[in-house]
Amino acid sequence: GAGVSQTPSNKVTEKGKYVELRCDPISGHTALYWYRQSLGQGPEFLIYFQGTGAADDSGLPNDRFFAVRPEGSVSTLKIQRTERGDSAVYLCASSLGTGGFGGYTFGSGTRLTVV
Amino acid sequence: ILNVEQSPQSLHVQEGDSTNFTCSFPSSNFYALHWYRWETAKSPEALFVMTLNGDEKKKGRISATLNTKEGYSYLYIKGSQPEDSATYLCASLWDMGRRALTFGSGTRLQVQP
Repeated sequence: GAGVSQTPSNKVTEKGKYVELRCDPISGHTALYWYRQSLGQGPEFLIYFQGTGAADDSGLPNDRFFAVRPEGSVSTLKIQRTERGDSAVYLCASSLGTGGFGGYTFGSGTRLTVV
Repeated sequence: ILNVEQSPQSLHVQEGDSTNFTCSFPSSNFYALHWYRWETAKSPEALFVMTLNGDEKKKGRISATLNTKEGYSYLYIKGSQPEDSATYLCASLWDMGRRALTFGSGTRLQVQP
């Protein structure tokens, strides 16, 4: 597509529920990144994919968080047993290669609210 | 843990003022430094990507410099306009460990007409 698309744009869920956030990157971008931004903070790294594989998942806060990118394009971030502290804007970005010399292209984010 | 620090946290200026922000980062194994502009309700937009010590980049009224030896970058806005109001994020990439950008907390700029 023309840009990075994230769905849904907003998600309100109850504590303890399971959620999936979707990212559709720019066609041909091999690198895909998930970040989380809490109020007053900069984007916090979660995970990055090079192709289909998770090249670095060191930012995932705990085992309730998981992400996949089975065909090397669309990625899904999955959060189990959501907690109020998971409320944040989840940003997805893609780039040509991991050097990011052209910069990352970000989606508009998914605002997750856990009540 | 490699951290990126930005200052000030927020800034209020009058239309027409020139302003600058600072980004500092560990200089060891430096690979690249990015600046992004993030307007409310929009996606962060890449402004500059810099890799070489002494790099200077310019886009319209906005410019940036890079000092990799001492680990800092400055972003300058000349003659601020209300449409420049946004959060300005810097992020660094190092040639070791994680190959994804580490972001600072941003500088929130508000330009009063």
